[in-house]
Amino acid sequence: EDQVTQSPEALRLQEGESSSLNCSYTVSGLRGLFWYRQDPGKGPEFLFTLYSAGEEKEKERLKATLTKKESFLHITAPKPEDSATYLCAVQGLTDSWGKLQFGAGTQVVVTP
Amino acid sequence: DSGVTQTPKHLITATGQRVTLRCSPRSGDLSVYWYQQSLDQGLQFLIQYYNGEERAKGNILERFSAQQFPDLHSELNLSSLELGDSALYFCASSVDPRLNTGELFFGEGSRLTVL
Repeated sequence: EDQVTQSPEALRLQEGESSSLNCSYTVSGLRGLFWYRQDPGKGPEFLFTLYSAGEEKEKERLKATLTKKESFLHITAPKPEDSATYLCAVQGLTDSWGKLQFGAGTQVVVTP
Repeated sequence: DSGVTQTPKHLITATGQRVTLRCSPRSGDLSVYWYQQSLDQGLQFLIQYYNGEERAKGNILERFSAQQFPDLHSELNLSSLELGDSALYFCASSVDPRLNTGELFFGEGSRLTVL
């Protein structure tokens, strides 16, 4: 069964203090790895899709990278509005219909 | 606003009861997914429909059932409710999961409290 483990569970950052979130995964053939952001009381919001090791995607202060066993979400010079729970999800090769396996998430709090 | 509409937003009911959660996907999206989110389990996949047909199933309890109607809206039925069913239930939609973008559009969820 596909497994996704995210660390740390929670992260408190000062504004401007860069950091990285980790997503380790076990899947029998990776179809895709996805990052989502979830604000309190809201549904997850799509950020990135990564398909193969070595791939990188960027959006504003966020950069996602992928290796064969894990993905990192780098937050550069975060602002308070980056505070959210960041979720990682994988889709295996056997799941052609879009079933995503989510990790438990990393709760990020950025203080001014 | 993701364009996915879920009703009701909040629901409080008693053990043993039955409830129905409703989801209207984004305009043009053919696929609907249901996820359950609780504090101890995270976001758990329940079931997925594409153009009215069930396409993938997760660890959905036998007490739960779902369907997608011809107008593409979907309903999740939860019966014989137990305290442990208290959770946030999310609906998500996508155009065509076979495109493999992983981009799901989530609604704001229905918070179910079973007393």
